Amino acid sequence: ETGVTQTPRHLVMGMTNKKSLKCEQHLGHNAMYWYKQSAKKPLELMFVYNFKEQTENNSVPSRFSPECPNSSHLFLHLHTLQPEDSALYLCASSPEGLAGGLSYNEQFFGPGTRLTVL
Amino acid sequence: SQKIEQNSEALNIQEGKTATLTCNYTNYSPAYLQWYRQDPGRGPVFLLLIRENEKEKRKERLKVTFDTTLKQSLFHITASQPADSATYLCALDTDTGRRALTFGSGTRLQVQP
Repeated sequence: ETGVTQTPRHLVMGMTNKKSLKCEQHLGHNAMYWYKQSAKKPLELMFVYNFKEQTENNSVPSRFSPECPNSSHLFLHLHTLQPEDSALYLCASSPEGLAGGLSYNEQFFGPGTRLTVL
Repeated sequence: SQKIEQNSEALNIQEGKTATLTCNYTNYSPAYLQWYRQDPGRGPVFLLLIRENEKEKRKERLKVTFDTTLKQSLFHITASQPADSATYLCALDTDTGRRALTFGSGTRLQVQP
């Protein structure tokens, strides 16, 4: 296991439902990420949090709402989703660190939540 | 436009042979490049990182090369085993200081016994 857990592992929801995805990391990292992975497409970065502050929102629709209450936990709140939002949602974390002035950014991924929107 | 390209067709090889996967990129100047392994329905797992000033990196049966002139990285698995069958992703830091990676779409490797 990578030290990053995600719940639930599978989620089926209707377009009018509200649900939340949870991610927890036990690695002492300070940066956390949400990615979307659709079939045959590269991982798409959605949000980045660094020391609990959102540092990036990659033009994600407002029906996805992230929350980072502390450095160990990350949530993705979902509401009024569309069928095309069905995908594998991956959470990742990475350590803060500098090596020769470069940020060192190995990412540790959770197992993902397989989301199906009906 | 910026692109990261990995061979979308699956690579099929015989057990014991060396698998070589390619990652090409355009219009980026990454400070480093990473390779990940992903099994079906699972999250990617980090394998190797290589910096722009490094030509080659090794870890057990894995070897990565990084040619910033060709804008290409090669990922080799020597003495391949059926357990190496998975999708392999390359990832670049595409904006210095931005704490995120941009991933290629991956190449699926199938090692036949």
